[in-house]
Amino acid sequence: SQQGEEDPQALSIQEGENATMNCSYKTSINNLQWYRQNSGRGLVHLILIRSNEREKHSGRLRVTLDTSKKSSSLLITASRAADTASYFCATAPRYNDMRFGAGTRLTVKP
Amino acid sequence: DVKVTQSSRYLVKRTGEKVFLECVQDMDHENMFWYRQDPGLGLRLIYFSYDVKMKEKGDIPEGYSVSREKKERFSLILESASTNQTSMYLCASSLGSSKGAKNIQYFGAGTRLSVL
Repeated sequence: SQQGEEDPQALSIQEGENATMNCSYKTSINNLQWYRQNSGRGLVHLILIRSNEREKHSGRLRVTLDTSKKSSSLLITASRAADTASYFCATAPRYNDMRFGAGTRLTVKP
Repeated sequence: DVKVTQSSRYLVKRTGEKVFLECVQDMDHENMFWYRQDPGLGLRLIYFSYDVKMKEKGDIPEGYSVSREKKERFSLILESASTNQTSMYLCASSLGSSKGAKNIQYFGAGTRLSVL
């Protein structure tokens, strides 16, 4: 069963604009993570936010978490063409195993 | 850097063949995972292992089995490949919870399997 669901499924923006992706999940979590996948490759971890945190920053990335609504958002500021990729949220109902959503496909046009 | 290596990037097999997908990690991680990824469905967990010779079913284990004889190697086996197993297969590893580590997963580059 998929734990996280991203929204929108696809997003197309111009270079320099901000991109916001949302994730909803179903059960209680220990932490929520965001991953990035370039076309045809494996996933790369971007950022982790614990269940007792509300916001976290890493470079041009900003993640928020609302456990009461079981939702998270990923903001990429000042996007670049190199940010073009699919972005996945992931949650772990138990510590060791993780469930991923279907992803948001981001296209950044130069 | 953690390295997770999948033995093949592309694989073409015939229906009914027995298929082995190999994954090796070099960071002494306890946990290893096999996912399949299909358009619109995201990643779905097939099996995972939290220790040598230990395995747990994920969400879609039917038609698959796994083997973990050594800590660094986790194999996915398609006993009798079928066309509906054509997919991208991703292997991942992570440190175990006993180490107090965050459960961040490190992925291989993936194996694109076509079953004809």
